[in-house]
Amino acid sequence: DQQVKQNSPSLSVQEGRISILNCDYTNSMFDYFLWYKKYPAEGPTFLISISSIKDKNEDGRFTVFLNKSAKHLSLHIVPSQPGDSAVYFCAVETSYDKVIFGPGTSLSVIP
Amino acid sequence: NAGVTQTPKFRILKIGQSMTLQCTQDMNHNYMYWYRQDPGMGLKLIYYSVGAGITDKGEVPNGYNVSRSTTEDFPLRLELAAPSQTSVYFCATSVAQNTGELFFGEGSRLTVL
Repeated sequence: DQQVKQNSPSLSVQEGRISILNCDYTNSMFDYFLWYKKYPAEGPTFLISISSIKDKNEDGRFTVFLNKSAKHLSLHIVPSQPGDSAVYFCAVETSYDKVIFGPGTSLSVIP
Repeated sequence: NAGVTQTPKFRILKIGQSMTLQCTQDMNHNYMYWYRQDPGMGLKLIYYSVGAGITDKGEVPNGYNVSRSTTEDFPLRLELAAPSQTSVYFCATSVAQNTGELFFGEGSRLTVL
């Protein structure tokens, strides 16, 4: 049973527009929610995270929103750039930094 | 600055063979992890270690073994390889702040035929 769900396997966005990636989770006890980015033939890299006590966290072009009542988080990328084309994994931290990953959303930013 | 180094990057095994995926880190991180990624799937945790001499099972440990004799090294052993173990394997470390921020190696692609 998936604890972290990303219902959109892929997303295409024009360069300069906003990319919105969505994620749902099942367990309300998670403390940290994260987004990882992965390019082909590379390992995932940490992108941004949010604590359960916050509802928004920004880092440059990237903003993560957390809606605890809906058990939903989203990643906004503004403006989107071709270099943002990658697979984005939503993830949650459980304990001892053990991370549960969603299946990923493949983002294509079209020039 | 090497970070997390995995070897080999690619390997083809026959059913029933055994092998060890090596992972070494130079970041002095206490926590280390092995994940596997299957096509169209997220990463699944195989085993993890919170320090030298301590290991524990993750979500999908069957068919694998690990050891952690030093802070730097965390090898993953596959015994009696099966086609279901065809996957990309990633080793990761963390600074043990329980925030979920992991540092990954580049991966090892294993095919079992």
